[in-house]
Amino acid sequence: DIVMTQSPDSLAVSLGERATINCKSSQSVLYSSNNKNYLAWYQHKTGQPPKLLIYWASTRDSGVPDRFSGSESGTDFTLTISSLQAEDVAVYYCQQYYTTPLTFGGGTKVEIK
Amino acid sequence: QVQLQQSGPGLVRPSQTLSLTCAISGDSVSSNSATWTWIRQSPSGGLEWLGRTYYRSKWYNDYAVSVKSRITINADTSKNQFSLLLNSVTPEDTAVYYCARSFGATGEWGQGILVTVSS
Repeated sequence: DIVMTQSPDSLAVSLGERATINCKSSQSVLYSSNNKNYLAWYQHKTGQPPKLLIYWASTRDSGVPDRFSGSESGTDFTLTISSLQAEDVAVYYCQQYYTTPLTFGGGTKVEIK
Repeated sequence: QVQLQQSGPGLVRPSQTLSLTCAISGDSVSSNSATWTWIRQSPSGGLEWLGRTYYRSKWYNDYAVSVKSRITINADTSKNQFSLLLNSVTPEDTAVYYCARSFGATGEWGQGILVTVSS
């Protein structure tokens, strides 16, 4: 199985400041035929189903604010919230969908400082 | 716009079978591009992908190793829904269970059902 390792487990950021979440895959999730990383980011708020934010490592899903961005470097992936808003308090997960079993990172809890 | 409506009991006795259904509107379970997935979140917090079913000229299933001996995911084309069966449950199977539609990444989710395994 591909292991997804997220860091940190939690972080507290002031409103309007930047939040950065890291995710590392134990092996490549890059499909060479289309040069895409099969990596997604989700936001999970209490009492709601998770919400897809980013797919192909850096493509925002429809309706996702542009303060959310994803980047990649080899097997290292980053989710950045450029200016944290109160409604961004949630747990964030990365997931690889390159191969089964699809696997999630352990999650990063984002809070307001 | 696709909607996924989950149903099933919230309490299951140990050693029994957990059975959940996900009714689909706005898409077909026989879609040649979507996959139909079950994911759970245990009280300890993390998301766990359990498995999926999908149709590509014939039906396919993939399951997580952790539950592979106990899980079945079926599609019912007459009702446009898919189901999760997890047998021989233990308290460790207590979780919120989600059904979802995926095109690679998972864009649409059911509302989630808390299933508690307890006597």
